[in-house]
Amino acid sequence: DAGVIQSPRHEVTEMGQEVTLRCKPISGHDYLFWYRQTMMRGLELLIYFNNNVPIDDSGMPEDRFSAKMPNASFSTLKIQPSEPRDSAVYFCASTGMLGGEQFFGPGTRLTVL
Amino acid sequence: QKEVEQDPGPLSVPEGAIVSLNCTYSNSAFQYFMWYRQYSRKGPELLMYTYSSGNKEDGRFTAQVDKSSKYISLFIRDSQPSDSATYLCAMSEANFGNEKLTFGTGTRLTIIP
Repeated sequence: DAGVIQSPRHEVTEMGQEVTLRCKPISGHDYLFWYRQTMMRGLELLIYFNNNVPIDDSGMPEDRFSAKMPNASFSTLKIQPSEPRDSAVYFCASTGMLGGEQFFGPGTRLTVL
Repeated sequence: QKEVEQDPGPLSVPEGAIVSLNCTYSNSAFQYFMWYRQYSRKGPELLMYTYSSGNKEDGRFTAQVDKSSKYISLFIRDSQPSDSATYLCAMSEANFGNEKLTFGTGTRLTIIP
């Protein structure tokens, strides 16, 4: 398996623009997690899904952020409109029904100018 | 106050030294305790995990949990340059992996050859 796949790896955009981050979890995994990592706040959970259904979105910072999982092999995290304080590395992770290690993707480095 | 506190370092030690990394936490409901290792520009990878209090050893790595003090540690013996990375502690309440993880901010470690 190729592991968790994220795209794009780097994104530079201007304030006010819409940003869409994409994630393909490991095949067969039932849980998908979106995290954000910054120097100041570390790694924070934004939202997670089980069998494509959002379970906990309490970490989503505000209404500008939304996440979807239309099927078991694809998820998106959208920021609209983007702001400079959204600049961070966004990670997607997945794990199986029985839990265990969360496998992280390589991350998307987002810079909002 | 954050739920999980971790000294961000950076920490530099000579090759062969014993390294001690620590986290404290405030949520007494945490039951699973994990250490993730993150190399530069990569996603975190699970290094070790423990359930409840006690010690666990895996090669040169030892994880300790003291729930009475709400304190966890990771020891690295005979440290190698390849151990240079950021080490993140993580914790969860009821399950291992398939629920929200709360991370520390990470300690950046450099092993000097």
